[in-house]
Amino acid sequence: AQSVAQPEDQVNVAEGNPLTVKCTYSVSGNPYLFWYVQYPNRGLQFLLKYITGDNLVKGSYGFEAEFNKSQTSFHLKKPSALVSDSALYFCAVRNDRGSTLGRLYFGRGTQLTVWP
Amino acid sequence: GAVVSQHPSRVICKSGTSVKIECRSLDFQATTMFWYRQFPKQSLMLMATSNEGSKATYEQGVEKDKFLINHASLTLSTLTVTSAHPEDSSFYICSARIGQSNQPQHFGDGTRLSIL
Repeated sequence: AQSVAQPEDQVNVAEGNPLTVKCTYSVSGNPYLFWYVQYPNRGLQFLLKYITGDNLVKGSYGFEAEFNKSQTSFHLKKPSALVSDSALYFCAVRNDRGSTLGRLYFGRGTQLTVWP
Repeated sequence: GAVVSQHPSRVICKSGTSVKIECRSLDFQATTMFWYRQFPKQSLMLMATSNEGSKATYEQGVEKDKFLINHASLTLSTLTVTSAHPEDSSFYICSARIGQSNQPQHFGDGTRLSIL
């Protein structure tokens, strides 16, 4: 079975400081990993993905994520947070086997608040 | 690129009304579209997956007669909430994917449904 854990409901960080939003996953087979961001009353915006290749993935708005196979983690990071980064962040996973319908399994989300 | 338009953004209607929500991929052909439901401060719950020209695959516990999904073309999927009741009030989000399952899903901005 596939699953995603985002252990923190909330992350608070001061503007200009580095931020990390944690994600661990469980899949059978190789994982396809994604990060999305959601602003209030909006859909999800794609930030970045890991399929294969380099473990460090760079995405939109200065975000990056590091795939760690041994720890089954895919933490989202940004070197210097902005107030405008405040939003709800979702980690998602699917595996490379089975149905081609491509169902994603989402974490419960982490609310990031960046204060001035 | 990869824009998904969802309409309407907000619906308020009386109990017993049927409500149709449209999801369009504006600049790509979506072989697969997904419908999600999101409760306040919670993650996305997958309701169903639809492929163009075939019947939707519903997740366990989702009533297919209650939530009718039609994926008539490669750019349009519709979700009809039939005889809606207050417990159907929620935020409904669609997404669409181009081709292979390792590609990200692109999300609409959601529909806030309120049943009085």
